[in-house]
Amino acid sequence: GESVGLHLPTLSVQEGDNSIINCAYSNSASDYFIWYKQESGKGPQFIIDIRSNMDKRQGQRVTVLLNKTVKHLSLQIAATQPGDSAVYFCAEISLYNNNDMRFGAGTRLTVKP
Amino acid sequence: ETGVTQTPRHLVMGMTNKKSLKCEQHLGHNAMYWYKQSAKKPLELMFVYNFKEQTENNSVPSRFSPECPNSSHLFLHLHTLQPEDSALYLCASSHGEGPTNEKLFFGSGTQLSVL
Repeated sequence: GESVGLHLPTLSVQEGDNSIINCAYSNSASDYFIWYKQESGKGPQFIIDIRSNMDKRQGQRVTVLLNKTVKHLSLQIAATQPGDSAVYFCAEISLYNNNDMRFGAGTRLTVKP
Repeated sequence: ETGVTQTPRHLVMGMTNKKSLKCEQHLGHNAMYWYKQSAKKPLELMFVYNFKEQTENNSVPSRFSPECPNSSHLFLHLHTLQPEDSALYLCASSHGEGPTNEKLFFGSGTQLSVL
């Protein structure tokens, strides 16, 4: 069946290092992807999105890469800070299935000072 | 502050109780959502309202009853819940349905415990 998933449930990095969080998806019809960040005690917060006609999009300290060939999405965080510690979710949206949105289970990022 | 406010933040209820969760958004959005978040599971969409009309009920048991009196307010009425219903219930809003409008703004959630 179709699914959205994450390669690693947890990731621990040193402050100042770069972080890479990965996401695999299996629905080739998905054409819009979003990364959300959820801090403890809060709801998910939008970080960055990308459409399937792009393979890279940059924000402030974050970059999302999309590889449609292998159905892989990644979130890169530059110079990771303690405030980046959170659970990160990827979500896929399929235009051809009533804008169906599916979330991955999440990766917990821990930043060590 | 995301502009989406949920109350209460925490709720403990027995299986025979009736309670309601409240969500209010101050963003001028037209779509509102209820999601269930359980430990180690992806977010589960429960209900969607677009322009006050329910557009999706994702096979949710009838012990969960949503209500959307206007575009700014959303309720989730709870009745005779089961312990497995214990979870974080998240409300979200967006401009309206459509991929460019699927950027969701979430509240902080209500942590529900059913005893």
